[in-house]
Amino acid sequence: ELKVEQNPLFLSMQEGKNYTIYCNYSTTSDRLYWYRQDPGKSLESLFVLLSNGAVKQEGRLMASLDTKARLSTLHITAAVHDLSATYFCAPEMDSNYQLIWGAGTKLIIKP
Amino acid sequence: DADVTQTPRNRITKTGKRIMLECSQTKGHDRMYWYRQDPGLGLRLIYYSFDVKDINKGEISDGYSVSRQAQAKFSLSLESAIPNQTALYFCATSVGGALTYNEQFFGPGTRLTVL
Repeated sequence: ELKVEQNPLFLSMQEGKNYTIYCNYSTTSDRLYWYRQDPGKSLESLFVLLSNGAVKQEGRLMASLDTKARLSTLHITAAVHDLSATYFCAPEMDSNYQLIWGAGTKLIIKP
Repeated sequence: DADVTQTPRNRITKTGKRIMLECSQTKGHDRMYWYRQDPGLGLRLIYYSFDVKDINKGEISDGYSVSRQAQAKFSLSLESAIPNQTALYFCATSVGGALTYNEQFFGPGTRLTVL
């Protein structure tokens, strides 16, 4: 069974700071997805990581995937208030293409 | 117009009632999913369908049933609602096919409260 652990689950930070969210998973998976959810809203796809060493960047967010370490990271550079949201990682099971979801990291960025 | 729609958006019902949540999509995707979200627990898969004739149980299918009426429509039923089914329910779609990846696109969600 594929298990996913996000760390931290809650993060409060100041604008302008850098930080990294970690996503560890327990079994082999070559694909991983990051999503954003605003309070009371739906989930929005942020990044699709399809192979070992994949790196994607969008604005102040950068995601990477290390399939050998079973680790993905979401790095925030010079955080701004608009990035406040809950972020989910979801590796894809090789056997049946299902996404297994982390519990989410609630990010609060204070002005 | 939204690509994935869900109805109703909010529903309050009583224990023992039968409830149907509906999902429609205009994305032309083959695969559809129903998830529930509880605070602090991420998303949990209830049922998924890879095409009209393919329905599969997910992690937490007990107490739920589904119907895939067409490629574009996937309904979730609670035969006899109970309070611990109070949650936010999401429908999602993905393209499908062996050579594609499984990026999922979500509807707006249905907030269900069972009293």
